[in-house]
Amino acid sequence: DSGVTQTPKHLITATGQRVTLRCSPRSGDLSVYWYQQSLDQGLQFLIQYYNGEERAKGNILERFSAQQFPDLHSELNLSSLELGDSALYFCASSVHSGGASEQFFGPGTRLTVL
Amino acid sequence: QKEVEQDPGPLSVPEGAIVSLNCTYSNSAFQYFMWYRQYSRKGPELLMYTYSSGNKEDGRFTAQVDKSSKYISLFIRDSQPSDSATYLCAMSVRGGGSNYKLTFGKGTLLTVNP
Repeated sequence: DSGVTQTPKHLITATGQRVTLRCSPRSGDLSVYWYQQSLDQGLQFLIQYYNGEERAKGNILERFSAQQFPDLHSELNLSSLELGDSALYFCASSVHSGGASEQFFGPGTRLTVL
Repeated sequence: QKEVEQDPGPLSVPEGAIVSLNCTYSNSAFQYFMWYRQYSRKGPELLMYTYSSGNKEDGRFTAQVDKSSKYISLFIRDSQPSDSATYLCAMSVRGGGSNYKLTFGKGTLLTVNP
């Protein structure tokens, strides 16, 4: 158990809908990262927050947004969902925001868009 | 050309074999190199990370980096059935400020047969 929690574990929804994925980092970790994992694209970095502020952006679609709250938990919002958004979404956390700071991954949320 | 290339396998070996997993990359700006292990339906966990070219050993695992050839390897000695998992290489570049983004290979599925 990495100490990172994600809810829900599974989510099934329809195209055009909006969902929110939630992540609680390990105690003491200030950085939160979101990743998308699909069979064809592998694990793709989406976005990073550090102590409430956005720090880095990867291949995140404009339909997706995230935020980190004062208690350091983070939410990833996915809107106008398409079939291609079906994937595993992982949250990771680390103490710092630089160097080879070890990222601890949560168990993931499996999103299925029908 | 993808930034990070990794043979997806699958790779099947008998228990006790030496396993060699490899990745090549094209971006010479990568500074940190990591190997993650991902069991089915779990999040990735960090196995090894290295900064410079050369070897790093941890128990049965050895990570090797050759920056001149843009090639990294993970060796597993005396492989065990419990090593059966997907192995992902990951590399980081410096993003904005002091932030490092991880770019992952697609992963190699390894099965160690008893």
